Amino acid sequence: NAGVTQTPKFQVLKTGQSMTLQCAQDMNHEYMSWYRQDPGMGLRLIHYSVGAGITDQGEVPNGYNVSRSTTEDFPLRLLSAAPSQTSVYFCASSSNSRQGAGYYGYTFGSGTRLTVV
Amino acid sequence: AQTVTQSQPEMSVQEAETVTLSCTYDTSENNYYLFWYKQPPSRQMILVIRQEAYKQQNATENRFSVNFQKAAKSFSLKISDSQLGDTAMYFCAFMKRYSGGGADGLTFGKGTHLIIQP
Repeated sequence: NAGVTQTPKFQVLKTGQSMTLQCAQDMNHEYMSWYRQDPGMGLRLIHYSVGAGITDQGEVPNGYNVSRSTTEDFPLRLLSAAPSQTSVYFCASSSNSRQGAGYYGYTFGSGTRLTVV
Repeated sequence: AQTVTQSQPEMSVQEAETVTLSCTYDTSENNYYLFWYKQPPSRQMILVIRQEAYKQQNATENRFSVNFQKAAKSFSLKISDSQLGDTAMYFCAFMKRYSGGGADGLTFGKGTHLIIQP
């Protein structure tokens, strides 16, 4: 059971380049979300999804796009990278809170460190 | 919108001591979850403990326990018999609970860097 897998682990981009951060989970979780972590800021929600075909914006969505065509995958797209997007990005997934013996919260991937120069 | 405040940027205690990390939150919601996550230098986010707001009993997980005061909107984490491996960033997080069982994203505090001294 791999859990939540993020690729790549490290990436350097030039300003204006585009790229996609990949996130896949094998736990059949309905809910997935993306966060960015900056020094002294904690983690901030970028986008989230409650199921295939459904996405919504979080606290800091500008400059990022998402789509959820399958339950397993939730890629995060940077269309035109900017130095302000230099950060560590985390993807997380969660089951429906109605299921099981209780709600166990989100499971996180190991993160992607992105540098935009 | 919810906010989560962790007022202690850094704390340092001796091994085997008990330490309490503070967290307060602001919300107009009545149904929600609260969490403490640990982030060691490896960067991995690890769930330490969770609390369901409709439960009055404080959650416990081995050496970790919380003091949940719903009226005061306070959610502190107590670590007993602290160990060197407890050294990490600790984040308090809030999540709204929907009546249909749904969940949206987490709102995090800025974290407390806990250092356990040998």
